[in-house]
Amino acid sequence: GAGVSQSPSNKVTEKGKDVELRCDPISGHTALYWYRQSLGQGLEFLIYFQGNSAPDKSGLPSDRFSAERTGGSVSTLTIQRTQQEDSAVYLCASSPGGAELYEQYFGPGTRLTVT
Amino acid sequence: AQSVTQLDSHVSVSEGTPVLLRCNYSSSYSPSLFWYVQHPNKGLQLLLKYTSAATLVKGINGFEAEFKKSETSFHLTKPSAHMSDAAEYFCVVSDYQAGTALIFGKGTTLSVSS
Repeated sequence: GAGVSQSPSNKVTEKGKDVELRCDPISGHTALYWYRQSLGQGLEFLIYFQGNSAPDKSGLPSDRFSAERTGGSVSTLTIQRTQQEDSAVYLCASSPGGAELYEQYFGPGTRLTVT
Repeated sequence: AQSVTQLDSHVSVSEGTPVLLRCNYSSSYSPSLFWYVQHPNKGLQLLLKYTSAATLVKGINGFEAEFKKSETSFHLTKPSAHMSDAAEYFCVVSDYQAGTALIFGKGTTLSVSS
């Protein structure tokens, strides 16, 4: 069946521009997570959605980062006024919730390069 | 707070020999622990998970891991390495305080030579 999809797969942007990254979770998955994978930092948690609400935004690195989820499905991660240190692979994962809450399925990621 | 430490950044083995990737964890709760694998230019794939059932967990592709509470360890093993096992492996703990977000170790790169 269809897995988690992310778009674009690659994004190159100039410093100071805004970018939007999209995640389509597996159909029926209620939980959605954003992570960032960068050289030297490993994989870090950014934000978590249960349905459309984000009870935990503790991982967002600055107020330039925001995310929303609509209809309990698609999520968008927005980075405003991008900086070079934002360059990374941004990964989205979804989870069925309930007893399987802890099993997360990852998308292929969006590679963001800020020049 | 939860954390994981992968003791080796790089492990090299010969095809057909055993694989051991070491992981220690720190958790205030009874943890849920995972191993994920990432092949080059591919997404993260769940290898196996421990969620307080049997302490010896079997995963895909012949991998298994043993949860040892007294040693706070969750080492990943495989009896015989295959060339296709070459990848990056992440030991992961679930953070209950962050909506079960996953806390990743730094990763171990496994190289397999013929």
